[in-house]
Amino acid sequence: GQNIDQPTEMTATEGAIVQINCTYQTSGFNGLFWYQQHAGEAPTFLSYNVLDGLEEKGRFSSFLSRSKGYSYLLLKELQMKDSASYLCAASDSNYQLIWGAGTKLIIKP
Amino acid sequence: GAVVSQHPSRVICKSGTSVKIECRSLDFQATTMFWYRQFPKKSLMLMATSNEGSKATYEQGVEKDKFLINHASLTLSTLTVTSAHPEDSSFYICSVDPGESSYNEQFFGPGTRLTVL
Repeated sequence: GQNIDQPTEMTATEGAIVQINCTYQTSGFNGLFWYQQHAGEAPTFLSYNVLDGLEEKGRFSSFLSRSKGYSYLLLKELQMKDSASYLCAASDSNYQLIWGAGTKLIIKP
Repeated sequence: GAVVSQHPSRVICKSGTSVKIECRSLDFQATTMFWYRQFPKKSLMLMATSNEGSKATYEQGVEKDKFLINHASLTLSTLTVTSAHPEDSSFYICSVDPGESSYNEQFFGPGTRLTVL
């Protein structure tokens, strides 16, 4: 079957760095997405990886290892507004997104 | 990117009634829209793919007669929850893929919170 695993909740301190991991198993693979979702709101796109390696975009970076079925989202210089859920989603052979349950990130002052 | 709106943002209804949720693509013509449901602390679950001018494609386990989808125009898709029950209470989100990127990025509406009493 198809499956996405990511931690349920993480806590970090303002100004610090946090890494959110995601492992996936899909029928075929056409890339890995990270979305940010604030409570009660729709997800917003953060990043997309389809090749191995690190993609950097400002304070956020995303990494992919296709051979390991593994990705992580790295958030630097954490701000209080980064408190949100972070959703990992893998695109399968039909380009359908398989979603993880999300990681709730709590930022403490 | 694409701008997607949903209406209403919140709805409370009595058990047994029907509720219609609208999803509009404001700045481009969407031949395909996606409907998701999200329970608290759970992942997004794709319910169906809405196709303009044709029948929607439902995911396994989603009742077609309960969740009616109509995609009558290139900018509007509607989801009607018929004979709603408390277990239908959820966050319903639509999305579109404008095809701007090579990787099928989806843009989401703001969601509709449905509470069935």
